[in-house]
Amino acid sequence: EVQLVESGGGLVQPGGSLRLSCAASGFTFNNYWMTWVRQAPGKGLEWVANIKQDGSEKHYVDSVQGRFTISRDNAKNSLYLQMNSLRDEDTAVYYCARGAIRWLARGGYFDYWGQGTLVTVSS
Amino acid sequence: EIVLTQSPGTLSLSPGERATLSCRASQSVTSNYLAWYQQKPGQAPRLLIYGASTRATGIPDRFSGSGSGTDFTLTISRLEPEDFAVYYCQQYGSSPQTFGQGTKVEIK
Repeated sequence: EVQLVESGGGLVQPGGSLRLSCAASGFTFNNYWMTWVRQAPGKGLEWVANIKQDGSEKHYVDSVQGRFTISRDNAKNSLYLQMNSLRDEDTAVYYCARGAIRWLARGGYFDYWGQGTLVTVSS
Repeated sequence: EIVLTQSPGTLSLSPGERATLSCRASQSVTSNYLAWYQQKPGQAPRLLIYGASTRATGIPDRFSGSGSGTDFTLTISRLEPEDFAVYYCQQYGSSPQTFGQGTKVEIK
């Protein structure tokens, strides 16, 4: 059974940092693009970042470029999101998701999602 | 980037009724690479449809997707109580992948 379990969320002050983790199991992790998607309270879904199978390609939404870093450790079946210089508008539930199409740039649609971890940026 | 506009924002229907949700793209979606997700309060999104019309594993056949180019539709033939939720479309044919703003299907 495919499972994605996020952790690392919490309350942080503006300008602070946080590192999210996503533990994957039930599939061959290094075969898939992986993605972070976020959802601000009461709002819709927003793609944040994704990373290729071997980590050689990474993409970010403009609003986090230069502040967030996506990474993965295929030996540990884990995905990470290092978030620096956090702003109020980064407050959201952050989901990790698996890209379903291994050969398609950025993985295509998302067939499995974690339960999410809440990040609150507030003073 | 491709902007997806979903309509209506809210759909008020009764169980047993038919729901028709629209997703319109600002430009043509490559290879009809469009997906639909369902999200219930406090839960992660769940994949319903990909490739505009292919149901994901385990999705009941009352859910169907159609459309091509810039206009796509998700139809729920007869609403069950568990279908009341928010539905999102997503295009993945062009980078970045983008989502629509969602349609809430609520009980009338």
